[in-house]
Formats: sequence, structure tokens, C-alpha cells
Amino acid sequence: GNSVTQMEGPVTLSEEAFLTINCTYTATGYPSLFWYVQYPGEGLQLLLKATKADDKGSNKGFEATYRKETTSFHLEKGSVQVSDSAVYFCALTSLFYNQGGKLIFGQGTELSVKP
Amino acid sequence: DGGITQSPKYLFRKEGQNVTLSCEQNLNHDAMYWYRQDPGQGLRLIYYSQIVNDFQKGDIAEGYSVSREKKESFPLTVTSAQKNPTAFYLCASSIRQGVQETQYFGPGTRLLVL
Repeated sequence: GNSVTQMEGPVTLSEEAFLTINCTYTATGYPSLFWYVQYPGEGLQLLLKATKADDKGSNKGFEATYRKETTSFHLEKGSVQVSDSAVYFCALTSLFYNQGGKLIFGQGTELSVKP
Repeated sequence: DGGITQSPKYLFRKEGQNVTLSCEQNLNHDAMYWYRQDPGQGLRLIYYSQIVNDFQKGDIAEGYSVSREKKESFPLTVTSAQKNPTAFYLCASSIRQGVQETQYFGPGTRLLVL
């Protein structure tokens, strides 16, 4: 079945460091890929998405490229800030999956950025 | 402003009690979803509804019930049959554009058992 695997956290970085959070997936059909961010005590916010191979999603300095050949959707940011501290979730949905637009989530990666 | 609202932010349940979590959206989205989040884990789907007056079980529906009488509302009832209800509950709604679908989430309700 469809699944998403993220690198384990927590990830601790200094401010202005480069960030990579790895995400790989297994899916049938033609999945759309998403990154969501969750700040403490809050719901999930859509960070970026990509709907087909080689698409690059970007938002607030974060980027991720849909790589079909490596089944990956790694999240990157060139210079993190303290305010980026949160939990990041990689997810996919496939309209060929037999439950319509169900989102399949990775387990989440906690990011902590120190001043 | 358009968005998804969930209430209450915190909810306490006594043993043997049913409680209902509210989810309302004014985004004119057709589909709505309920997820459960446990500490340090990803989200698991409880129920979803793709159209008014219709809904389907997700991966962990036991001990929960829903209704979808209006497009903008999708309340979740946590029944006494749910033996471990303490969790963070997230509601989402989605818009479909062609063959693509994007889900947007509410702020969540934290349920605690007394």
C-alpha cells in the first residue's frame, strides 16, 4: 500500500544553517506530495506541494522537488530561523487510492533551531 | 475570513460519557475529514465525507461516529466505546481541482479524560 517515510528527529540546527529533511514514498498511481508544518499546540498548515514529477514546490524559503526516479520529496531551506522550529510532516495523496483523497502521513520530524 | 474552525480547543471527558467535537468550514469545500494525532506520531484517519449525507470509515473508526447533514459541518462524536480517547483531534476539508486534491486543517481540539 501507499506509505511515507521521513527521517527521524529531532533535528537541531543553529540559526542560518542549511536544512534538509528527507522524505521518501511508496505509492501506486500518480500521487500528489505535500509538506505540512505544525507549530506547538496548533493544527497543520500547508507549507508546499507538488502534483507531478519534477515539480518544485516552494514557500517561505522552503523548497521540495518531486523526484519520481528516487521516489523522494526532500524538504530544504537555505537558512533556517528560530521561528522555523516546528514539526514537519511529509504526506501524499493519490486519487487512484481506493479511499479517494486520503492523505498518508509520515511520522513527522521535529526541528529545533537555536539562536 | 474563510477557514476551518474547531471547538472547543480543550475538552474533558468523564468515564462512560459521549462527547462531540465541532468542525465548521466556510470554504465551500465538498470533502471533510477527521484525524487523530497521538504524541510523537503522525495523523491517522478516523472518518471522512466526500459529500453531504455520506461518509466512510477511515483506519481507526471504532468508538467514533460522525454526521454530515450540512456541507459546512462535520461533527465527530467520541463514544464511551473508545477506550483510549486522549489525543489531539484535527479536522480538515479539501478542494479538488481537476485530478488534484489539497487538504486544509483546522486548529484542533485536545481531548482529555478525567
